[in-house]
Amino acid sequence: NAGVTQTPKFQVLKTGQSMTLQCAQDMNHNSMYWYRQDPGMGLRLIYYSASEGTTDKGEVPNGYNVSRLNKREFSLRLESAAPSQTSVYFCASSRGTATQETQYFGPGTRLLVL
Amino acid sequence: AQSVTQPDIHITVSEGASLELRCNYSYGATPYLFWYVQSPGQGLQLLLKYFSGDTLVQGIKGFEAEFKRSQSSFNLRKPSVHWSDAAEYFCAVGPQYGNKLVFGAGTILRVKS
Repeated sequence: NAGVTQTPKFQVLKTGQSMTLQCAQDMNHNSMYWYRQDPGMGLRLIYYSASEGTTDKGEVPNGYNVSRLNKREFSLRLESAAPSQTSVYFCASSRGTATQETQYFGPGTRLLVL
Repeated sequence: AQSVTQPDIHITVSEGASLELRCNYSYGATPYLFWYVQSPGQGLQLLLKYFSGDTLVQGIKGFEAEFKRSQSSFNLRKPSVHWSDAAEYFCAVGPQYGNKLVFGAGTILRVKS
């Protein structure tokens, strides 16, 4: 039982390049989330997926797209990376969208955009 | 709009000393409150959560937090800190439905021996 896994762990991009961050969970959770973490700002929600087949914007969705590929996988795509997207990205999952449901976090992806 | 303020960016305590990390929130309705911990290079782990009932909640690793509605606070405490508690701590607030959490900026805890 690996929980929430994320790939890659580290990535360096040049401005304008694209990439996809992968996230998978093996806990049979319905809901999945993408956050970014920046110094002094805590975590901010980018997108979330309440259930398979649905996605919704969070607090900071601009410059990102997501795909809920199936119940296990939720990917985050940067179409044209910008230096402002340098951050640590965390994926999380929870059994459902009720706020009582604990969110379980992956180890994060560190992204540097030059 | 919901917001969370963690006034202390860094805190240093001696091993064995008591700890209190402050958290103030702004939320129109009854909030759901959380404390998470992030060890270096790791994801976040839930320490404890408050939804209703007893305002003093117990969590993992010997942590507890007290909800004070009159002060809009949810401070995290531990009676005796261990070196392994060195980490970054995040307070978060969320609505009853939707699980869309708003996190504070975090407090970095250093433990000196």
